[in-house]
Amino acid sequence: KAGVTQTPRYLIKTRGQQVTLSCSPISGHRSVSWYQQTPGQGLQFLFEYFSETQRNKGNFPGRFSGRQFSNSRSEMNVSTLELGDSALYLCASSLDRVDNSPLHFGNGTRLTVT
Amino acid sequence: AQSVTQLGSHVSVSEGALVLLRCNYSSSVPPYLFWYVQYPNQGLQLLLKYTTGATLVKGINGFEAEFKKSETSFHLTKPSAHMSDAAEYFCAVKSDTGFQKLVFGTGTRLLVSP
Repeated sequence: KAGVTQTPRYLIKTRGQQVTLSCSPISGHRSVSWYQQTPGQGLQFLFEYFSETQRNKGNFPGRFSGRQFSNSRSEMNVSTLELGDSALYLCASSLDRVDNSPLHFGNGTRLTVT
Repeated sequence: AQSVTQLGSHVSVSEGALVLLRCNYSSSVPPYLFWYVQYPNQGLQLLLKYTTGATLVKGINGFEAEFKKSETSFHLTKPSAHMSDAAEYFCAVKSDTGFQKLVFGTGTRLLVSP
């Protein structure tokens, strides 16, 4: 079974631009979460989608948004990019929302903002 | 709110030596705990997850973790380190504010010398 697939793997953008990252979950997984990883802040939760609805949102500005499609694929969008948005963005999927259901992560999209 | 603390940002061992990576959790309810590993330029790979009632949890690649409620700990161990174990390890707990939100520790980088 294929794992979580994130595209693209690398992105270079300029301040003020916007960017869209894509995530395809493991087949059959309905929950998709996004995390930001930076050297300074570590791994931080962005948001979670389940059945095309945002279920949880982390403490990020409104420039960060996402959506989930009927096939469970998800996209996240960052508008008006800032230098501090440079990070590894990780997508994770899980089968359901049972408490001990583990999250399975993709290899991430590394975003560099110049 | 749930949280985890990883003691030691770096741990160095010799090949063949015992690996011990420490994680303490804070939780007002039975925790849902996980250990993940991250190799360079990759996402997070699930090593193991805590199952309610268990004290010793076995994971992949020879790793295991011992759950001690009295010490609120979930330390990760491996009897004999391999060079291929060099990576960053993250302890995580499911947030009590949402089923699929993970709160991560700051990570411990394991260095293995020949």
